[in-house]
Amino acid sequence: EVQLVESGGGLVQPGGSLRLSCEASGFTFSSYWMHWVRQAPGKGLVWVSRINSDGSSTSYADSVKGRFTISRDNAKNTLNLQMNSLRAEDTAVYYCARDLASDGSGYLDYWGQGTLVTVSS
Amino acid sequence: SSELTQDPAVSVALGQTVRITCQGDSLRSYYASWYQQKPGQAPILVIYGKNNRPSGIPDRFSGSSSGNTASLTITGAQAEDEADYYCNSRDSSANHVVFGGGTKLTVL
Repeated sequence: EVQLVESGGGLVQPGGSLRLSCEASGFTFSSYWMHWVRQAPGKGLVWVSRINSDGSSTSYADSVKGRFTISRDNAKNTLNLQMNSLRAEDTAVYYCARDLASDGSGYLDYWGQGTLVTVSS
Repeated sequence: SSELTQDPAVSVALGQTVRITCQGDSLRSYYASWYQQKPGQAPILVIYGKNNRPSGIPDRFSGSSSGNTASLTITGAQAEDEADYYCNSRDSSANHVVFGGGTKLTVL
C-alpha cells in the first residue's frame, strides 16, 4: 500500500525556518517525481515545488523561489522541503504527492495527509 | 507562469450530468489532471491525461479537452460527488505546474 506521511509542521515566527519531511512507503520511491502542494485555510490548492526521481532537477513556484529548497534522500525514501524566510502568507497545509507521470507533468496520484505550517508572531 | 481558470461554483441535480471546465493557455499544449477534495481530506486524483481514470474511480467521471479548455464530466452525479474539484497542468514554460482555483460542486 502506497503511503506518504508528512511531518515537521508547526508554528514559526515570520522570518523563521522550518523543514518538512515526507516519508514514503509501499512503492519504489526512487522511480518517481515528487511534489509539494500547499493549501491555505479555506483556499485552493497551490503548487509549490517538484523534484525529479534522482534529485538532479528541481523547480519552484515564483512565490517560494529563493526561499524554499526541495530535496530527497532515495536511500531513506524521504522527500524534504526546507523553508526559510517564512512569511504569514506561507501559512497553509503542506501536502507531498507522488507524480505518476515519468516527466513530472503533475499527475498526482497519491497524497499525504498534510502537515500544517503556521507563520505568526 | 500561466493560470488556469475555473468557475467558483457549479450545481447539478442528483442523477444528472455536469461539466466542470478549466481554461488556460497551457492546455493547448498539455493535458490537465483533475482532483476531488472533500472537507478535511487530501485531494484524490480522478482524471489524468487524455481521459484516464485511476483504479477505483467510478466510470461516471470522464475528461476531455478542446483548445484552451479542459473539462471534467460527471454523468449521473451522486450525492457523494459533492466536493471541490481542481484542475492542474504543466504551465506554458513546462517547468512549473499550476492549479486552477477550484470549483465547488453542489449536488441538489
